[in-house]
Amino acid sequence: QQQVKQSPQSLIVQKGGISIINCAYENTAFDYFPWYQQFPGKGPALLIAIRPDVSEKKEGRFTISFNKSAKQFSLHIMDSQPGDSATYFCAASMTSRGLTFGQGTILTVHP
Amino acid sequence: DARVTQTPRHKVTEMGQEVTMRCQPILGHNTVFWYRQTMMQGLELLAYFRNRAPLDDSGMPKDRFSAEMPDATLATLKIQPSEPRDSAVYFCASGYRLAAMNTEAFFGQGTRLTVV
Repeated sequence: QQQVKQSPQSLIVQKGGISIINCAYENTAFDYFPWYQQFPGKGPALLIAIRPDVSEKKEGRFTISFNKSAKQFSLHIMDSQPGDSATYFCAASMTSRGLTFGQGTILTVHP
Repeated sequence: DARVTQTPRHKVTEMGQEVTMRCQPILGHNTVFWYRQTMMQGLELLAYFRNRAPLDDSGMPKDRFSAEMPDATLATLKIQPSEPRDSAVYFCASGYRLAAMNTEAFFGQGTRLTVV
């Protein structure tokens, strides 16, 4: 069964701190790993994505680290801000398939 | 400002009634997805289309759900008859797939369905 397991379920971070969210997958055929950010009442929005031929990708304060052998990938949010408070979803897909999502992490950044 | 448009945004209906949710994908996108979001199950893929042809609807309860793309600017998801367990937020997403590349999915605002 295709699964993506995400942890933690919730995370509280102080402003300026680093937020780290982890995901693990089982299906080695997955070849695309995006992270989505969702605010209440809104649809998920693509934040950053990585392919398995790369071990790290950085865009601004957001970094994905990817470990192919361990079948794990993580999102790091540097200098976390209150505006980053949202639910974050990792996901994975195979070419020509839809996304399989993790269960989500509710991030709260305290001022 | 290109965006996926979903209607209605909210729908309350009685059990047994037919529900139709509509989605206008971003112009030029060739792939449309339907997802359902609940607290218990999270985001689940129901079905997706490429170039208006259904590629996978294995996530949908076949007896009551149906998805179609009458034309390139409209995708519909119907539930008949609706049941309380169908209460969820239904998202449509669209993207453009090139050759063997994965499709980046852009989500709409969702339709919040409540079946009483």
